[in-house]
Amino acid sequence: DAKTTQPTSMDCAEGRAANLPCNHSTISGNEYVYWYRQIHSQGPQYIIHGLKNNETNEMASLIITEDRKSSTLILPHATLRDTAVYYCIGISSGSARQLTFGSGTQLTVLP
Amino acid sequence: EAGVVQSPRYKIIEKKQPVAFWCNPISGHNTLYWYLQNLGQGPELLIRYENEEAVDDSQLPKDRFSAERLKGVDSTLKIQPAELGDSAVYLCASSRSAGDTGELFFGEGSRLTVL
Repeated sequence: DAKTTQPTSMDCAEGRAANLPCNHSTISGNEYVYWYRQIHSQGPQYIIHGLKNNETNEMASLIITEDRKSSTLILPHATLRDTAVYYCIGISSGSARQLTFGSGTQLTVLP
Repeated sequence: EAGVVQSPRYKIIEKKQPVAFWCNPISGHNTLYWYLQNLGQGPELLIRYENEEAVDDSQLPKDRFSAERLKGVDSTLKIQPAELGDSAVYLCASSRSAGDTGELFFGEGSRLTVL
């Protein structure tokens, strides 16, 4: 599975878009990019995943670069409840159940 | 739809004592996982079940850890005897098997403190 690199921490003002980057330069053609988040004292929560195309759901948007070496998770209007650790995970389609979490990015939404 | 239920939420024991954690997955989810999360780190997989079969237990320290999922529904993770280094959060997750998108549903975890 692809190694991913994320900043340790980021701040964002409430109401603004939060853009969380992830580098996955070793990702292979059949590996998806998954994003999970973990709010303090809770279990991780699935956000979104994608392969090549940009994806959007009710929680966030995922922008994957054309060369697939990096991606950005966008929370369009961050709220205080979005304060959490965000994990970017690269995983092949055959191993979709074997998620390997790194240390993630601590996003703090400021009032 | 009820989520993944874990108990107890918190457990404090002295070293060398046994401890057990229980997990009830989402109804209809055939795949069940136990993860370990140390402070400041991401979760690490301990064991994965497909129905009642443990299909990946390579990261489970088998000298003191054991797990079971006898009827392919709920599961128990046991540590005997507990050591100081076992203090962590133990997370249970479940997912569907057929047409799985990789979305795992996690419980709130069981926080273990070993004194």
